[in-house]
Order: sequence, then structure tokens, then C-alpha cells
Amino acid sequence: TVLTQSPATLSLSPGEGGTLSCRASQSVGSSLAWFQLKPGQAPRLLIYDASNRAPGTPARFRGSGSGTDFTLTISSLEPEDFAVYFCQQRSNWPFTFGGGTKVDIK
Amino acid sequence: QVQLVQSGGGVVQPGRSMRLSCATSGFSFSDYPIHWVRHAPGKGLEWVGFLSSDGKTEYYADSVKGRFTISRDISKKTVSLQMGGLRAEDTAIYYCARDSQDTGYFLLYWGPGTLVTVSS
Repeated sequence: TVLTQSPATLSLSPGEGGTLSCRASQSVGSSLAWFQLKPGQAPRLLIYDASNRAPGTPARFRGSGSGTDFTLTISSLEPEDFAVYFCQQRSNWPFTFGGGTKVDIK
Repeated sequence: QVQLVQSGGGVVQPGRSMRLSCATSGFSFSDYPIHWVRHAPGKGLEWVGFLSSDGKTEYYADSVKGRFTISRDISKKTVSLQMGGLRAEDTAIYYCARDSQDTGYFLLYWGPGTLVTVSS
């Protein structure tokens, strides 16, 4: 299953909100997660099963969608949110990640 | 607490082999599968492979199938990624990771990662 993320880069200012998209080449139901990746750190699970926040994920992160279209919304960016975000599906083998969306400072 | 401690990695010549290890603690080793994920410089995350909790089932990404093998040592609570026929495009940080029932079996726990550089 190919996951296509858009946009590739999202330039935002602290305090602004933003929306990241992930589209699957075939239905993955709700078996989709969002990860955050920062330089020098392991990936961090933010959202699982499309819309559930993982332990420690701030409420400003909201996941939605099902089937083939998914969205990660960050309501008001904090400085620590500038990172790369990846979606991942575990509905079909092999598991796959999207290409990522870099959220950088405008 | 769940811990995944990685070892191995470094510089290896194209065509050669390398073994990465992931030593686990803080949970019942035989109750959880272990995944390997990599992050190549300037590229996205790539799921590499999986070994089931009973050690009987393996899945691999097409890009590594036939070259990489995941195995485990129950007595040492360690999972290994044996990489053969290495190519420049295998250069990446490699992570081992474990899922959690509490997070829909998505990868909640991660090792710190280890860098593999394939270069002559």
C-alpha cells in the first residue's frame, strides 16, 4: 500500500494551525498512525488507529479519516512541533510509511 | 520499563554483510513481535521487516527481501537483523521497535537507532 503525503513542506509560524494529508493507494480502514521525527531522535508515535492520541500526545494534535484519506491537524504550533511527520499503515503487508511532511518555521 | 538497546552498525563495504542487534528488557520477550525501521539521509522512514512474537513468521520490505534476515535469541532476549549484499542505498539509521496493544499495535517503543553506512 503506497501512502502519499502532502504537502512535502508546510511553512508555519508558531501559534498557527496546519493540516497534513495522507492518502492511501487502497483502503487501510482505520489502521493508520502518525509519527513525529526530529533530528537525532527516534520516531515518536503521536496518533494511532487514525484518530486516537498516543500517551503523551498533546491535545493540539488531532487525527481524522478512514479508508484512503487521512488528516493530521495541529491546532496551534508550539516551537517543539517543528519536525517531520510521517503516516504509517498496518492494514496490509508490508507495512508502509508515507514520504513525510516537513513542518518548518516560516 | 520497556527498553530496546541497539548495537552494531558502522561502515561496511558494498556487497558485505553486517549484523545489528536489539537487546530488550522490561517486558515478556516472547509476547511481542519486533519490527525494524530505517531512515535514510534526506529520505523518509522505511519499514524494513518484522519477526512475530513466536519467532515463526517474518515479513520484509521488497527492497530487502532475500538479503536481510531477522532472528532472535530467546535466552538473551535479543533480536538481530542480519544484512547481506549491502548496497549504498541501505545506508540509514536502523531502529528496532515494539508495538503495544494499548496503541492499536502500532510502534510505541523504539530503540535509539544505529547508523549503517555502506561505502567503499
